[in-house]
Amino acid sequence: GAGVSQSPSNKVTEKGKDVELRCDPISGHTALYWYRQSLGQGLEFLIYFQGNSAPDKSGLPSDRFSAERTGGSVSTLTIQRTQQEDSAVYLCASRSGTGGRGKLFFGSGTQLSVL
Amino acid sequence: KQEVTQIPAALSVPEGENLVLNCSFTDSAIYNLQWFRQDPGKGLTSLLLIQSSQREQTSGRLNASLDKSSGRSTLYIAASQPGDSATYLCAVDSSNTGKLIFGQGTTLQVKP
Repeated sequence: GAGVSQSPSNKVTEKGKDVELRCDPISGHTALYWYRQSLGQGLEFLIYFQGNSAPDKSGLPSDRFSAERTGGSVSTLTIQRTQQEDSAVYLCASRSGTGGRGKLFFGSGTQLSVL
Repeated sequence: KQEVTQIPAALSVPEGENLVLNCSFTDSAIYNLQWFRQDPGKGLTSLLLIQSSQREQTSGRLNASLDKSSGRSTLYIAASQPGDSATYLCAVDSSNTGKLIFGQGTTLQVKP
């Protein structure tokens, strides 16, 4: 596609439910990132996939959060047993190549509201 | 631990003014610095990326400078327009992986 696509754009869920957020990166981009944007914390890194390497999960806030990337393309971020503090905008980004030379391209995000 | 600070948090200017947004970071060992724009309810758009070996980058009315040794970057916007109204975010890559550390942003309003 022309850009990074995320779905759904909005998700409202009840506390304790599981949610899945989807990211479709730009075709051919080998690196994929998940970030979270919340009012109190700003933008925070969550997890990073680079090609076939093991993902860097150092930013995941708890073991309720997990992500996978299938076939080096689409990624799904899963939050189990959601809590109210999980309410935030979840942003996905992708980039071509390795190292820090390229720009990140962001999707429009998924607004998650946990009631 | 790297920390990124942006000052001011908000800025309101009349159309046509030149303006400067500031970004500072605590650890000068960075690989690159990016400036992003975010419109309400939207994702981030990368405006400029400066590699650690560069001093500045320009795109149209935007000019970003980097002084790595002092831990500072500025984004200069010339002849501001109402369409420039948005939140501007500065982010540094300290690990050469694209894992970015963001500032809190400066929300800019350009009044017609």
